[in-house]
Amino acid sequence: GAGVSQSPSNKVTEKGKDVELRCDPISGHTALYWYRQSLGQGLEFLIYFQGNSAPDKSGLPSDRFSAERTGGSVSTLTIQRTQQEDSAVYLCASSFNNGGWSRQYFGPGTRLTVL
Amino acid sequence: DQQVKQNSPSLSVQEGRISILNCDYTNSMFDYFLWYKKYPAEGPTFLISISSIKDKNEDGRFTVFLNKSAKHLSLHIVPSQPGDSAVYFCAAKWRRGGADGLTFGKGTHLIIQP
Repeated sequence: GAGVSQSPSNKVTEKGKDVELRCDPISGHTALYWYRQSLGQGLEFLIYFQGNSAPDKSGLPSDRFSAERTGGSVSTLTIQRTQQEDSAVYLCASSFNNGGWSRQYFGPGTRLTVL
Repeated sequence: DQQVKQNSPSLSVQEGRISILNCDYTNSMFDYFLWYKKYPAEGPTFLISISSIKDKNEDGRFTVFLNKSAKHLSLHIVPSQPGDSAVYFCAAKWRRGGADGLTFGKGTHLIIQP
């Protein structure tokens, strides 16, 4: 079946503009995660959704970052007034959390470059 | 503060030999450890995992060892093959707010030389 997909694959924007990144999780996966990987860094947890709700937003780096998930499926990560330090690869992952642990499947990522 | 550390940014190994990738962690509350493999322009893919109650898990050419007292785990690949060249991330699972999240190390770039 189809894996996790993300769009766009690459995004170049000017400092101060807003951007929206999209994630389509694997069908039926209830949990959705956003991570980012800055140059030379590991994957940094941003936010987690169980269904449409986000019980853990502790990883969002600033109030310029927000995310939503609708219909228990697609999620969008919005970065307002982008800064150069927002440049990174943004990765989405999904898993089927049915009360137990289920490993996460990652999408290919969106490479964001803020000029 | 980095809770999961991979101190070797890169590792070069000859084809056919053993590759050993190392990972250290600081949080004793982690209950599961995973290794992910990542090729350029692709998302990480799951490779192998180990529960904190085990000290070894083997899957084909891949074996993960866990030393809880030292808060250290390692991934052994034997024999190493050219297709193993990739970035390997060590990850530790945590549970918070009903969610299972992962904390990743910075990765080790494994290069298999012919």
